[in-house]
Amino acid sequence: TAGITQAPTSQILAAGRSMTLRCTQDMRHNAMYWYRQDLGLGLRLIHYSNTAGTTGKGEVPDGYSVSRANTDDFPLTLASAVPSQTSVYFCASSEGSGSGDTQYFGPGTRLTVL
Amino acid sequence: GQNIDQPTEMTATEGAIVQINCTYQTSGFNGLFWYQQHAGEAPTFLSYNVLDGLEEKGRFSSFLSRSKGYSYLLLKELQMKDSASYLCAPMDSNYQLIWGAGTKLIIKP
Repeated sequence: TAGITQAPTSQILAAGRSMTLRCTQDMRHNAMYWYRQDLGLGLRLIHYSNTAGTTGKGEVPDGYSVSRANTDDFPLTLASAVPSQTSVYFCASSEGSGSGDTQYFGPGTRLTVL
Repeated sequence: GQNIDQPTEMTATEGAIVQINCTYQTSGFNGLFWYQQHAGEAPTFLSYNVLDGLEEKGRFSSFLSRSKGYSYLLLKELQMKDSASYLCAPMDSNYQLIWGAGTKLIIKP
């Protein structure tokens, strides 16, 4: 079982350009999440989706947008990238969005914005 | 506000035991997760505690005291492959995980 896949693995992007980070899970999990991880900081939630068709804002949503058209896919779009969006981005999923629902992570996308 | 406190770095010897502490303050509480993250890789799930006490899982154990806002991860019979960061993440009243910066554990032979 693949679990969660993310693409691309890494990317260098010019400031001002747009980009979509892809995330797909094959576990039929209802909930999905996007985090960014920066050196010295904990994972920070960008956006989440508790079920297909719904999305919500996390701790650091500005500059990012998401959609959840179906259960499996949860793309993250940067409309106009800025250098402060340089980070490692992790997608995660969980069966539900309640107490005890374990989040499982994809391998991450390393993004550099120049 | 919400806050997680873990030591930044710890060093231990192969074969020994190490305890990684975590104190937290969250808006509500719905359990606490521990994850392991090797350098350059994704976090992987280790344990979940929702009630007070010790949960044992092989060489790893996790303890929770809700009244003290305190948890620890205990690693026994340390192996070189245990060199990694360990992330403490309580779940708040909105069922969102609040992540600490993690404890980098260095294992020496």
